[in-house]
Amino acid sequence: EDKVVQSPLSLVVHEGDTVTLNCSYEVTNFRSLLWYKQEKKAPTFLFMLTSSGIEKKSGRLSSILDKKELSSILNITATQTGDSAIYLCAVGPFSGGYNKLIFGAGTRLAVHP
Amino acid sequence: EAGVVQSPRYKIIEKKQPVAFWCNPISGHNTLYWYRQNLGQGPELLIRYENEEAVDDSQLPKDRFSAERLKGVDSTLKIQPAELGDSAVYLCASSLDRRTADIQYFGAGTRLSVL
Repeated sequence: EDKVVQSPLSLVVHEGDTVTLNCSYEVTNFRSLLWYKQEKKAPTFLFMLTSSGIEKKSGRLSSILDKKELSSILNITATQTGDSAIYLCAVGPFSGGYNKLIFGAGTRLAVHP
Repeated sequence: EAGVVQSPRYKIIEKKQPVAFWCNPISGHNTLYWYRQNLGQGPELLIRYENEEAVDDSQLPKDRFSAERLKGVDSTLKIQPAELGDSAVYLCASSLDRRTADIQYFGAGTRLSVL
């Protein structure tokens, strides 16, 4: 059965700290791994990773995929209170000509001033 | 460009009542998804549409849930009758087409509370 596991489930840090969120997966016909940020509104797309070892970066956020270890990490440096959210990892097993997304339960990040 | 629009944002109903959710995807997006997100969990796919055709509804509880996407644009998801366990956030997402379905864009969701 395809599954995605995220850790930790929740994290509390202070502004300025650096955090690392983990995502591990077991899927057949892996195609891509995506990170989303979910606040009290729509989950917003952060990154899509398909190749191992290539870091994707956007401002203070970065992510990298390790296909050998079947995992990915999302790093946030110099955290701000606006980074408080649930971070969702989703993996796309490719089946039937379409990329179905399997989501993890998310990591709830709270950044305190 | 407008994102995925869902309504209502919140809905409170008593069990056994019917309820409907509406979704308008990003203009030009052929693929539309309905997900259910229970508290503390990630979204789980209920149904996927390619244009007006439901091509993956294997996770949709068909005894009480129904969905339609007339004309391949807007979509509605209905529950009749609702049960206590249906309380969740119902998310709609869209993507350009099956070849680029990797990136799905989500609406803000409808939070359903069944009392």
